[in-house]
Amino acid sequence: NAGVTQTPKFQVLKTGQSMTLQCAQDMNHNSMYWYRQDPGMGLRLIYYSASEGTTDKGEVPNGYNVSRLNKREFSLRLESAAPSQTSVYFCASSEQDRARAFGSGTRLTVV
Amino acid sequence: GDSVTQMEGPVTLSEEAFLTINCTYTATGYPSLFWYVQYPGEGLQLLLKATKADDKGSNKGFEATYRKETTSFHLEKGSVQVSDSAVYFCALSDTSGTYKYIFGTGTRLKVLA
Repeated sequence: NAGVTQTPKFQVLKTGQSMTLQCAQDMNHNSMYWYRQDPGMGLRLIYYSASEGTTDKGEVPNGYNVSRLNKREFSLRLESAAPSQTSVYFCASSEQDRARAFGSGTRLTVV
Repeated sequence: GDSVTQMEGPVTLSEEAFLTINCTYTATGYPSLFWYVQYPGEGLQLLLKATKADDKGSNKGFEATYRKETTSFHLEKGSVQVSDSAVYFCALSDTSGTYKYIFGTGTRLKVLA
């Protein structure tokens, strides 16, 4: 019953450092998503992958890149972290427009 | 474009009180509507959903009815418990065919014993 697994759970970066957030799902879903959650702003879509081999920008893609490694895995990379990227990041998966299954989140602080 | 407007919180209630969290939407098509709940330190979990007008979603004592005439999907529960303390998000599925969600900003509920 793993569902959507995200790593790491917590991370502190210095400005300019890079890192990759990992996400894997075991529900055989075709679609996967990366969101960021900021106080008072709900969840905003960074990137999504409608199916294996495809990725598309969401509302707030600047400063991020993604890789859909295979059907199970969808990673999010910050090439040069900035304080504005301090946030909680959630990965999710679904079948088309059905309900999303969310991971437990990565709390990232950029100092 | 499509949008979701949720009542701002926090909402503080005593145990066994009646809960309503308002949610209204704008959409050019016929979206599916969802309520998600987020407990402290966790990801979002689907609470209930409705896929067409007049559908009522229900789960764990929570209910919401898809009202197309008022473009609303208000969340209700007759008697809240301390364990219901969480943040509640209203969401709709984008009608442009891209399967993207639009989330409300969330409403924090605190239930006091």
